[in-house]
Amino acid sequence: AQSVTQLGSHVSVSEGALVLLRCNYSSSVPPYLFWYVQYPNQGLQLLLKYTTGATLVKGINGFEAEFKKSETSFHLTKPSAHMSDAAEYFCAVSAGTASKLTFGTGTRLQVTL
Amino acid sequence: GAGVSQSPSNKVTEKGKDVELRCDPISGHTALYWYRQSLGQGLEFLIYFQGNSAPDKSGLPSDRFSAERTGGSVSTLTIQRTQQEDSAVYLCASSPRWEGGYTFGSGTRLTVV
Repeated sequence: AQSVTQLGSHVSVSEGALVLLRCNYSSSVPPYLFWYVQYPNQGLQLLLKYTTGATLVKGINGFEAEFKKSETSFHLTKPSAHMSDAAEYFCAVSAGTASKLTFGTGTRLQVTL
Repeated sequence: GAGVSQSPSNKVTEKGKDVELRCDPISGHTALYWYRQSLGQGLEFLIYFQGNSAPDKSGLPSDRFSAERTGGSVSTLTIQRTQQEDSAVYLCASSPRWEGGYTFGSGTRLTVV
């Protein structure tokens, strides 16, 4: 079974500041890990994913995440926040086989001037 | 089509009525998923179709919920005898392979009054 914990349901940063959204996972098999973003009244958009290989993954809009097996973490970062980054972000895990994604409860990112 | 299409985008129904929600996946995607997003419950997996295999129905919350996928393409999620707790956004996603990284539709917002 898989599970995801996102620390902090709300995160507020100033424009230009570092964005750090935390995600820890639990998986009985090697995990596949994902970050999705959801803008108001829209569906979810894939930001980035880790399956195998390089543990530092780069995604769209300047986001990246690093898979750390020893810490069971997959935190999302962006060096400099932009107002357009304000949205809800979801971390998700799958077993890597023909299996569903299990999502975290989401983190709402607010970007202030 | 270019993306996953869901209809209707909004549905208001009376308690006790049946509703059908439609999902048109990206052409060629063999996997199709239904999720439910509601306040306090986050993103819940409902059902998963992969090619011609038997669907994974493990997330359906009750026997009032059912889904089918015709011809390996369009899917319909049916909720019978709707209850107020069924009010949520129902999201459909499709994927060309089993490894995740789905493309989501914009969802159907269901309100049961």
